[in-house]
Amino acid sequence: DQQVKQNSPSLSVQEGRISILNCDYTNSMFDYFLWYKKYPAEGPTFLISISSIKDKNEDGRFTVFLNKSAKHLSLHIVPSQPGDSAVYFCAARGGGSNYKLTFGKGTLLTVNP
Amino acid sequence: DTGVSQDPRHKITKRGQNVTFRCDPISEHNRLYWYRQTLGQGPEFLTYFQNEAQLEKSRLLSDRFSAERPKGSFSTLEIQRTEQGDSAMYLCASSPLLRVANEQFFGPGTRLTVL
Repeated sequence: DQQVKQNSPSLSVQEGRISILNCDYTNSMFDYFLWYKKYPAEGPTFLISISSIKDKNEDGRFTVFLNKSAKHLSLHIVPSQPGDSAVYFCAARGGGSNYKLTFGKGTLLTVNP
Repeated sequence: DTGVSQDPRHKITKRGQNVTFRCDPISEHNRLYWYRQTLGQGPEFLTYFQNEAQLEKSRLLSDRFSAERPKGSFSTLEIQRTEQGDSAMYLCASSPLLRVANEQFFGPGTRLTVL
C-alpha cells in the first residue's frame, strides 16, 4: 500500500512559467514532508521541507503548500528554468522517533526553453 | 564540503555471488540510512543506524542482506547469494542528530546488476 503518491509521472512547462508538482499521502502520522530533486546518475538532492503544523514554506523560487485536511501537498517553482528539469520526489517522515523517509514514485519535470 | 560518498558506483555480478557496498557519510552525521531504488520507483527504506547501532530494518531486508556500521562512521551493505531481483540502485544517506525535519543527504548510489 503506497502511503505517498505522486500521480503525475511527468510534467512539461515553458521556461519562465510556474511548475506545480503534486503529492498525496494517506498516513496522518507523518510529521514532516520533504521534496527532493534527482538528476540522472546522481543521488536525490534535498530542496525544501514543511512541518505538518504549517501550511506554507518558501525558499527562493520554491514554495511548498500543505493541505492537511486533504492530505495533499504541492511544490511550486516560479519561475521555472531549464536547469530545473529533473525527477522530483515527495517524501514524508514517519513521525516521533521514526526517522525513515517514505517516498513517492516521482514526477519527471521538463522545462522547455 | 565533502558529501556522502559510495563505492563502487557500479557493480555487475553473477547470480549467487556475494557483493559488498561501502558508504562514507558526511563527517559528524550520526544517522546513516540505506535505501534501494528500482526503475520507476522512489527510494525504499532498508535500514538505519544511529552511530553504530542499527535501530530499524525494513521487511525488504531479507536474511541475505546485512548492514554494519562498526565504528559509527562508514557503513557496509552486504548481499549474499545475489538474485536477479536484487538489481537496483542502492542509495546511502546521512543526517545530523539535530536537524528537526530530518533532511537526509544522499550519496550518488551504487548501481547493482545481477546477471
